[in-house]
Formats: sequence, structure tokens, C-alpha cells
Amino acid sequence: GAVVSQHPSWVICKSGTSVKIECRSLDFQATTMFWYRQFPKQSLMLMATSNEGSKATYEQGVEKDKFLINHASLTLSTLTVTSAHPEDSSFYICSARDFQLVDEQFFGPGTRLTVL
Amino acid sequence: QKEVEQNSGPLSVPEGAIASLNCTYSDRGSQSFFWYRQYSGKSPELIMFIYSNGDKEDGRFTAQLNKASQYVSLLIRDSQPSDSATYLCAVILSGNTPLVFGKGTRLSVIA
Repeated sequence: GAVVSQHPSWVICKSGTSVKIECRSLDFQATTMFWYRQFPKQSLMLMATSNEGSKATYEQGVEKDKFLINHASLTLSTLTVTSAHPEDSSFYICSARDFQLVDEQFFGPGTRLTVL
Repeated sequence: QKEVEQNSGPLSVPEGAIASLNCTYSDRGSQSFFWYRQYSGKSPELIMFIYSNGDKEDGRFTAQLNKASQYVSLLIRDSQPSDSATYLCAVILSGNTPLVFGKGTRLSVIA
């Protein structure tokens, strides 16, 4: 149980284009999902917290107009990187909490974004 | 400012030895403590969580929590080369707050 999927697993795009990443909790309901970014040899950095049906809460320094997060259902959250630039190239990882197990947090496999 | 501190390593241990990974946290009100393992290019996977002072054992892994000293540790017995990875300590303050991660300790188990 407690499986979180992400799609796509990797994407290469041209500078200036937008990329959407999906995060799904497959066998549980997730009222809260988290989006992280990880640059090579660095730790995970929390970008934003999204609660189903409400606006995401962004961490300091994360542009909410650039990283659009939608959490429309208890099993799906999306992150859209708008007008991507090479410096946005990173490993994006989502995480979800089980509705009934507040503390445990399960991670998706991650999406490797490369912006040319 | 919530902080979780870990020694970045690398920590090198011979195969079969005990690996000891340590973590300290700044927020005394923290409630839940987690250890994740992350292989290069992969996302973190949960190894153990601990809520109460003392030891918690799961197979070759033992988590130790000391809230008075604000540290949590992970012991890996009979270390294997496949245990070579980055180990992330994470803390939750309370309720629905997000995990706060340390920078991770890179463990290398030498065959």
C-alpha cells in the first residue's frame, strides 16, 4: 500500500515552454501533498504544500506564478513549471500524506526535468 | 527557524560493521522523527519512524530518540554494500506540517 506515482519520470523541454508534472496517490486519499526540488548533491528543498481544494502554500523564495500547483482531488496534484529556463532543471519529487495516517509521508519516484 | 542537522559524511564502514548515523534538531516541540534512504537519482524511501524516547528496532535497523538532548540516530547492523546511500533525517513539528529534512549523510559500505 501507500504508493505514489509521478508522471512523467523524465522530461526534456525547450526554454520558454511549460511543463506539467502529475502526482497521484494510488491506493490512499491524500489531503495534503508536498512538492520538493532537489539539485545534484543537495538535499530536498520543500517548494510548496498543497491541500485538496485550496490554494497551495509556497515556501519563501518560490515563485507561485512560475510554479503553479493544483490539488483538485484527494488523489491528484499537479505542478506546472511555466516558462521553464535552464536553471529550473532539477529533480522534482512529490510526496503525499495518507488521510488517516497524518504523520507518514510517502514519496513519488520523482521527475527529472531538463530545460535546454 | 526549524533546523535538522546531519554530518554530510561520507561515512565509510566495512561490510558487516555497524553504521551509526546521527541527527540533531532545533525545535524542541518536534513530535515525529523519520529516517529515509535515498539512492543516487532516486526519491527517498522510508526506513523507519519513531515517536517516543528510546529505541525502535526493525530488522537490521534501530532508531534511537532522545528528546531531552534533541537527537535521533539510526544504527545499521551487519552493514551491506547495498546499504550505501544517502540517509536523510526528517522531523515533523506537529499535525499537518511538512517534513523538515536534514541535508543527509552519505554512507559508503566497503566490501
